[in-house]
Amino acid sequence: AQSVTQPDIHITVSEGASLELRCNYSYGATPYLFWYVQSPGQGLQLLLKYFSGDTLVQGIKGFEAEFKRSQSSFNLRKPSVHWSDAAEYFCAARGGPRGSTLGRLYFGRGTQLTVWP
Amino acid sequence: GAGVSQSPRYKVAKRGQDVALRCDPISGHVSLFWYQQALGQGPEFLTYFQNEAQLDKSGLPSDRFFAERPEGSVSTLKIQRTQQEDSAVYLCASSSVGRAGSYNEQFFGPGTRLTVL
Repeated sequence: AQSVTQPDIHITVSEGASLELRCNYSYGATPYLFWYVQSPGQGLQLLLKYFSGDTLVQGIKGFEAEFKRSQSSFNLRKPSVHWSDAAEYFCAARGGPRGSTLGRLYFGRGTQLTVWP
Repeated sequence: GAGVSQSPRYKVAKRGQDVALRCDPISGHVSLFWYQQALGQGPEFLTYFQNEAQLDKSGLPSDRFFAERPEGSVSTLKIQRTQQEDSAVYLCASSSVGRAGSYNEQFFGPGTRLTVL
């Protein structure tokens, strides 16, 4: 069965510091992979996605993620964190075969990011 | 344009009451998903519609949960005889349908926070 693991429940960084949030997936083939951000009282916003091709993908708000097949990982990075980045981050994988219009997402449990001024 | 909207945003129910949660997807979006997000967890898939057809309801936790989308637009998630373990945020997402091999992003609503006392 597909699963997504985010090993860090809570991460604290200082403003201006670099950030890496970890994500590992378990899936038979290469899944579609996503990172979402959720601020309090808000819905999930897509930061970036990986389908195929270049393993380093760029997203919104200065985020990037790297797909590493050998490690079954899709870690999210940002070179310099801003106070407004404080939120909860979810890694997700899409189930269903490629080309399928069925697209249920499997989410990790999330990583809460706190940013110190 | 308008995003996905959900109502009510907050619902408090006494144990044993029935509740109905509404989702208005983005106009023209064929696919609609419901997810349940318990406190401190990532969203978990409940059910999926393509137009009015419910193609996957494998995530519904019990027969007390029922979802419908009779005209292929607005959807309602109904929970009968609510229990305390039903307390969660219920998220709705919609997407358009892409051609085979493509993926269309799921856009999430702000969710309905259900508290069962």
